[in-house]
Amino acid sequence: DVQMTQSPSSLSASVGDRVTITCRASQDINTYLSWYHHRPGEAPRLLIYAASLLHSGAPSRFSGSASGTLFTLTINNLQPEDLGTFYCQQTHTTPLIFGPGTKVDL
Amino acid sequence: ELLQSGGGLAQPGGSLRLSCAASGFVFSSFAMSWVRQAPGKGLEWVSSGSHSGSRTHYVDSVKGRFTISRDNSNNMLYLEMNSLRDEDTAVYYCARVRRPSSAFDSLDIWGRGTLVIVSS
Repeated sequence: DVQMTQSPSSLSASVGDRVTITCRASQDINTYLSWYHHRPGEAPRLLIYAASLLHSGAPSRFSGSASGTLFTLTINNLQPEDLGTFYCQQTHTTPLIFGPGTKVDL
Repeated sequence: ELLQSGGGLAQPGGSLRLSCAASGFVFSSFAMSWVRQAPGKGLEWVSSGSHSGSRTHYVDSVKGRFTISRDNSNNMLYLEMNSLRDEDTAVYYCARVRRPSSAFDSLDIWGRGTLVIVSS
């Protein structure tokens, strides 16, 4: 199975900050990597698909990039509604593993 | 939109069926998935089924116990859960696979989740 690791596991930031979250796959997954935002009590929301493409309706302050098996989610100008947990997920092969998550506090 | 129902309390070894009603898109064109979140844990992919329902995939921990199915004529997705274990306790989400007719892709539309508690 493809294993996914995320770093950091949690972070505290301020409104307006630039935040970077990384996700590493244990093997080549091409760009079959998505990022989600999950707030407590709500459904997860897709932010980025295919490693770097912004999902329709996701704010433009979110961006994604890839370098080999290392994937990065960048949040520019952090907003109060960005609190919650961010997950990466590989969709290259089953099981479609999610990363362990990065909890963002403001 | 995905409207979930079912769930609740079940005893270990028992069964439950989750339902997910789709609207606002051509349900029969999209693969669907189930994802769960156990208390205090992260998201876990559980199962995916192709747009026709002919191909299904499961995480190892539920293989042989859970069955994903769909009724395209009524825009319904199901997750039949048998031989339930304590560790199946979680909020279960149904979700749409983003790309039409694609087996695996990002999940772009999610239900609000339904709680399943397995306890004696």
